[in-house]
Amino acid sequence: DQQVKQNSPSLSVQEGRISILNCDYTNSMFDYFLWYKKYPAEGPTFLISISSIKDKNEDGRFTVFLNKSAKHLSLHIVPSQPGDSAVYFCAASATNTGNQFYFGTGTSLTVIP
Amino acid sequence: ETGVTQTPRHLVMGMTNKKSLKCEQHLGHNAMYWYKQSAKKPLELMFVYSLEERVENNSVPSRFSPECPNSSHLFLHLHTLQPEDSALYLCASSQDLLEQDTQYFGPGTRLTVL
Repeated sequence: DQQVKQNSPSLSVQEGRISILNCDYTNSMFDYFLWYKKYPAEGPTFLISISSIKDKNEDGRFTVFLNKSAKHLSLHIVPSQPGDSAVYFCAASATNTGNQFYFGTGTSLTVIP
Repeated sequence: ETGVTQTPRHLVMGMTNKKSLKCEQHLGHNAMYWYKQSAKKPLELMFVYSLEERVENNSVPSRFSPECPNSSHLFLHLHTLQPEDSALYLCASSQDLLEQDTQYFGPGTRLTVL
């Protein structure tokens, strides 16, 4: 059973607007979350992370929000740029499971110029 | 060359073939990983190595055999694969085997088993 879910396989956003990518998880023991970005023919690259002791982490145009009670996290990209078009993966891990990261299936973001 | 590299980038093999995937990291990391990504499925962790010792094997069939001769290189030896093994195989590395250590991925090998 999938422990990390990204229910939207794709998302299209106009350049300059906000992109919101969502991720839900089922394991309440998860305490560390990451977002990866993947361009075609390349491996995933780390984008931003958040620990469960925080509910928000910001890095430039990228902000990740964590709602522990809802077991939900989201990635906001503001303003969206055409170069942000990629597949975004959410991943989660728990301290008591060592270094096992559980990944979502990804959301393909297209930013329209 | 920097980062994590993987060769070959594409591989087509028959079910009776034996082939190997190679991963090399130039980051000075101590932990390396093999992941499998099948179509429309999440990344699945296959193997974890720390300081050249295998520390995790996620119930992977024996037709996949990993090898880590040193902390910079990781191989995945393949033999008598099945068509359902066709997938993108990603290698990753991290500084150490810590819960919150960021993993750096290679570009992957796209494997097709006929």
